[in-house]
Amino acid sequence: AQSVTQLGSHVSVSEGALVLLRCNYSSSVPPYLFWYVQYPNQGLQLLLKYTSAATLVKGINGFEAEFKKSETSFHLTKPSAHMSDAAEYFCAVSDLGTGFQKLVFGTGTRLLVSP
Amino acid sequence: EAGVTQFPSHSVIEKGQTVTLRCDPISGHDNLYWYRRVMGKEIKFLLHFVKESKQDESGMPNNRFLAERTGGTYSTLKVQPAELEDSGVYFCASSQDSGSYNEQFFGPGTRLTVL
Repeated sequence: AQSVTQLGSHVSVSEGALVLLRCNYSSSVPPYLFWYVQYPNQGLQLLLKYTSAATLVKGINGFEAEFKKSETSFHLTKPSAHMSDAAEYFCAVSDLGTGFQKLVFGTGTRLLVSP
Repeated sequence: EAGVTQFPSHSVIEKGQTVTLRCDPISGHDNLYWYRRVMGKEIKFLLHFVKESKQDESGMPNNRFLAERTGGTYSTLKVQPAELEDSGVYFCASSQDSGSYNEQFFGPGTRLTVL
């Protein structure tokens, strides 16, 4: 079965600094991978997705992620953090065993941005 | 276009009571999913409807949980009787396509607290 590991339940950065949120997955076949963001009092919003096309995926709000098969990683990055990026971020993989119908999530990483 | 809505946003009940959560998916979305996040842990899949049929209910924790989707529109998730470990945030998501690329749109969640 697929699984996702997110290293670091909390990540703190200064405004303008690089954002790096780590995600490693476990899958026996090429997975479909997703990053979701949850802002306070809102639902999860899709940031970006990898569906076996380009390995460097660009998403909304300046975020991007690179699929690295050799490292089984799909880390999320943003060159310069804004205060508005403070939120909780979830990495997820489609469960191939169910025909991609359910998402398997990591435990989430809360991003804190200081002035 | 309205997003996925959930009601109530918060519910506080005592152990042994019954609670019913409601989810209204995006209009026209045949697929509806329920997920749950227990505090500090990952978001876990509960079940998946295609229209009014349960496609996958492998994540339902036990028979105290009953999900319905009459008429293939909104869905309810009833917990009866509620236990302390049922506390958490219950998310609903919907998608139009059941194919391999499966963008799920999430609601804001219902925070359930069982005392």
